[in-house]
Amino acid sequence: DIQLTQSPSFLSASVGDRVTITCRASQGISSYLAWYHQKPGKAPKLLIYAASTLQSGVPSRFSGSGSGTEFTLTISSLQPEDFTTYYCQQLNSYPLTFGGGTKVEIK
Amino acid sequence: EVQVLESGGGLVQPGGALRLSCAASGFTFSSYAMSWVRQAPGKGLEWVSGISGRGGSTNYADSVKGRFTISRDNSKNTLYLQMNSLRAEDTAVYYCAKHPAELPFIDSWGQGTLVTVSS
Repeated sequence: DIQLTQSPSFLSASVGDRVTITCRASQGISSYLAWYHQKPGKAPKLLIYAASTLQSGVPSRFSGSGSGTEFTLTISSLQPEDFTTYYCQQLNSYPLTFGGGTKVEIK
Repeated sequence: EVQVLESGGGLVQPGGALRLSCAASGFTFSSYAMSWVRQAPGKGLEWVSGISGRGGSTNYADSVKGRFTISRDNSKNTLYLQMNSLRAEDTAVYYCAKHPAELPFIDSWGQGTLVTVSS
């Protein structure tokens, strides 16, 4: 199975900051990666798929990049609603797997 | 509007069984792959199982293989997860999730149903 390692696990930042979250795969997965965020008590929501394609309706401050084994999610200017938990998911092969999550907290 | 609504969660003893259902609406159900994803209390997301639109292809996480069975009834627009030989570590919120066509990422999620395995 493909393992995904997200870093950092926790991140403290302020409104307006630029933040980057990294997701590393245990083997190459081309661009088969998605990013989600999840607010407490709510279902996750899709942000990005195919490593860099923004899901319809997602603000342009979110962007994704990478291929192979290393991927990044960047939020160009944190907004209050962005303080939540982010997950990557590999789409290359079954079983599909998620990273352990990155919680973005208010500094 | 796409909607998926889970039901069937509850308290079950270790070794017991439970069947989850997911009623779908707002899209042509048989054209879309579906998955179950779970989240243990305070933990991250774990993909559990997936099924193709027509039901001919299924996949499972290693942690549930041989114990859980995913199925669908396209005439009823309903997805199922039969869970047998339940363990304490299966305690989680179980989300029903829709894929865009047969693509592997998830574009719509239900609100989740809680399964608690405890004596």
